[in-house]
Amino acid sequence: GQNIDQPTEMTATEGAIVQINCTYQTSGFNGLFWYQQHAGEAPTFLSYNVLDGLEEKGRFSSFLSRSKGYSYLLLKELQMKDSASYLCAVRDSNYQLIWGAGTKLIIKP
Amino acid sequence: DGGITQSPKYLFRKEGQNVTLSCEQNLNHDAMYWYRQDPGQGLRLIYYSQIVNDFQKGDIAEGYSVSREKKESFPLTVTSAQKNPTAFYLCASSMDGGTGSRKLFFGSGTQLSVL
Repeated sequence: GQNIDQPTEMTATEGAIVQINCTYQTSGFNGLFWYQQHAGEAPTFLSYNVLDGLEEKGRFSSFLSRSKGYSYLLLKELQMKDSASYLCAVRDSNYQLIWGAGTKLIIKP
Repeated sequence: DGGITQSPKYLFRKEGQNVTLSCEQNLNHDAMYWYRQDPGQGLRLIYYSQIVNDFQKGDIAEGYSVSREKKESFPLTVTSAQKNPTAFYLCASSMDGGTGSRKLFFGSGTQLSVL
């Protein structure tokens, strides 16, 4: 079966750095997405990786290793507004999106 | 402002009742999707449509129905056959059928609860 694994919850301190991991086993691979979702709100797009390596976008970076079935989202200079759930999703060989359960990130002052 | 609008924000269903969730987009996107979100689980695809007057079942279509009579609109009906409808429902759209880097744009969701 297809599977996406993320930690359920993480806690970090304002101003610090946090890394949220995502491992996947899917039928083929056509890209990996990260979305941010505040409680009760719409998920919003953060990043897309299809080739190995690091993609940097401001305070957020996303890394992909296709050979390891692994990605991470790196958040720097954490702010209280970064408290949210972070969803990892992989597009499989049929171009269907497979979603992880999300990682709830709690930021403490 | 372009976007995707879901209504209502909260909806209550009585046993045996059908309810319809609205989803409208003005992004001129071809593809639209309905997802169900339950605590501790990933998003699960209910139905999707890549073009007007055509739609396909997703992974959990039983107990749900949709229509796509207009490009802008993709309403979801939760029928009485859906025995566990309590969930957060998300509508999404994308420019095309979702190949490559096409990202999804989501509505703000509808929380459906059973009375």
